[in-house]
Amino acid sequence: AQTIHQWPVAEIKAVGSPLSLGCTIKGKSSPNLYWYWQATGGTLQQLFYSITVGQVESVVQLNLSASRPKDDQFILSTEKLLLSHSGFYLCAWSPDWGGNYAEQFFGPGTRLTVL
Amino acid sequence: GDSVTQTEGLVTVTEGLPVKLNCTYQTTYLTIAFFWYVQYLNEAPQVLLKSSTDNKRTEHQGFHATLHKSSSSFHLQKSSAQLSDSALYYCALSTGSKLSFGKGAKLTVSP
Repeated sequence: AQTIHQWPVAEIKAVGSPLSLGCTIKGKSSPNLYWYWQATGGTLQQLFYSITVGQVESVVQLNLSASRPKDDQFILSTEKLLLSHSGFYLCAWSPDWGGNYAEQFFGPGTRLTVL
Repeated sequence: GDSVTQTEGLVTVTEGLPVKLNCTYQTTYLTIAFFWYVQYLNEAPQVLLKSSTDNKRTEHQGFHATLHKSSSSFHLQKSSAQLSDSALYYCALSTGSKLSFGKGAKLTVSP
């Protein structure tokens, strides 16, 4: 069975400080990977997606960047946090065989508070 | 760009009564897939229903929805709401690698 792990579970950071959030998928090779952001009380906004190692596509610009250093790992980062970055960050995966219309499975998320 | 409009905000229904959450969309893509996601308190979203076939009813856990491309809709319905159905519900449109979510509806089922 596939498992998706995100770290950290929660983070409190100062404005202007750097950030790195991680996501690891186990039990599935070559998954499609996605990053989402959910503001408190808001909808889910897709930020990035990746279909292979080293390749990342941006969907929305929020002064964030993403990288896929390994097949099973997806990293979200920024050098300078803004207050508007606060929220819930979710990593998701979908099977590569499903094409672009496959169901996406979400991780447990990381809650970020920027002060 | 793609957009999804759904019943949003707070929706309250009495246990045992029917519930319907509306969802419509706009897209220029001909090949699409549609999802209803449910998010329980402090949990990640999970798929409740999905469809990519026009005019075909799909069902799961007592909920059902039919994708109607003619009216660009994928409404979610259940004939008898249960207390355990209380959660956040999102409809989402897939047009490829992009998944666009509606703003979400918080369903509360009261005794």
